[in-house]
Amino acid sequence: AQSVTQLDSQVPVFEEAPVELRCNYSSSVSVYLFWYVQYPNQGLQLLLKYLSGSTLVKGINGFEAEFNKSQTSFHLRKPSVHISDTAEYFCAVTMKTSSDKVIFGPGTSLSVIP
Amino acid sequence: DGGITQSPKYLFRKEGQNVTLSCEQNLNHDAMYWYRQDPGQGLRLIYYSQIVNDFQKGDIAEGYSVSREKKESFPLTVTSAQKNPTAFYLCASSTTWGALGYTFGSGTRLTVV
Repeated sequence: AQSVTQLDSQVPVFEEAPVELRCNYSSSVSVYLFWYVQYPNQGLQLLLKYLSGSTLVKGINGFEAEFNKSQTSFHLRKPSVHISDTAEYFCAVTMKTSSDKVIFGPGTSLSVIP
Repeated sequence: DGGITQSPKYLFRKEGQNVTLSCEQNLNHDAMYWYRQDPGQGLRLIYYSQIVNDFQKGDIAEGYSVSREKKESFPLTVTSAQKNPTAFYLCASSTTWGALGYTFGSGTRLTVV
């Protein structure tokens, strides 16, 4: 079975500073990886995904993530955050052989401080 | 534009009543999902359907029921058997090959009064 860990439940960061949100997964089979963002009282929106190929994936809103197979990690980064990045961020994983069911991590609340 | 519509956005229910949450998509997606979100607990899967007239229980199906009579629609009924129904409910859809990612609706916040 797969599982997803997001070690930081809350991450405060000053505006224009860089940020890294950590995600680790466990799986006995190959996986696809995703990051979603959720703004208050809204649904989730796909930020980026890793399917195969280059381990550095670029997404919307200036975010990027790097897949590290040996460390089973998929950390999300942004070099300079804005107030509008304040939101909940979810890492997610699905098996390559059965990719219709996705497992979500518990989420990380990013607060950007002016 | 294609997307998923959830209604209503806010719903209040008296204890002992059943309520139905609507989810409609015009993305021509085969698979649809219902998740429950509670503060600090992330998303938990209630039910999912990969094809019309077929659905499977997720991790927390007790007290809930669904139907999938049309490809576009996947309503969720919260029954009186659900002990703690106050939560934020999210509907999602995907192609059968979900590697493209999920598309989510904007959610329904259910409060039991």
